[in-house]
Amino acid sequence: AQKITQTQPGMFVQEKEAVTLDCTYDTSDPSYGLFWYKQPSSGEMIFLIYQGSYDQQNATEGRYSLNFQKARKSANLVISASQLGDSAMYFCAMRERTSYNFNKFYFGSGTKLNVKP
Amino acid sequence: ETGVTQTPRHLVMGMTNKKSLKCEQHLGHNAMYWYKQSAKKPLELMFVYSLEERVENNSVPSRFSPECPNSSHLFLHLHTLQPEDSALYLCASSGTGQGSSAEAFFGQGTRLTVV
Repeated sequence: AQKITQTQPGMFVQEKEAVTLDCTYDTSDPSYGLFWYKQPSSGEMIFLIYQGSYDQQNATEGRYSLNFQKARKSANLVISASQLGDSAMYFCAMRERTSYNFNKFYFGSGTKLNVKP
Repeated sequence: ETGVTQTPRHLVMGMTNKKSLKCEQHLGHNAMYWYKQSAKKPLELMFVYSLEERVENNSVPSRFSPECPNSSHLFLHLHTLQPEDSALYLCASSGTGQGSSAEAFFGQGTRLTVV
């Protein structure tokens, strides 16, 4: 089974509107972490937001918020007030602990977001 | 310098060449990762080093050879590559904690083209 699933290969959003990027995950590790990264055309992976499996509140970072629904195993990213600079690939990722005491990261296939002026 | 730095940013090599990719981190992390990102594919984990010991090798062909001489440096030695090895190679580092500080920090990647 895939660890991280992103079902939206591409999304369009009008500038200044909000957009939700979907992510579901699968793990048996009780202590996992969920991340969203942004990858512009330059290639660098930019960390956006983090949600721990035990966190009660949804994470927020500026215009980014993570809609964490643990029972449904979903971790959707909400971007409010979209800007042209938000056009990029977005990856959902999950961190699991391994028996070798290091963190292992799994990534989804990504969603390409296009913000229209 | 801070963060994760990868060199070179771009590399074009012939199939008979030998080259190396370098990754350096100054974050005090003790785990380092190599990922391959091909067009329209998810990131593929290639190798993981934890405390300078290789702990993961995901069935990567032997023409890719990693090296981790210390906790700050990671190399990927390349030889006799194939055109399908053309991709973006991303290095990342991480702490071993479990809080928000244990995110994966990425370098800017090396865009490799094999001709």
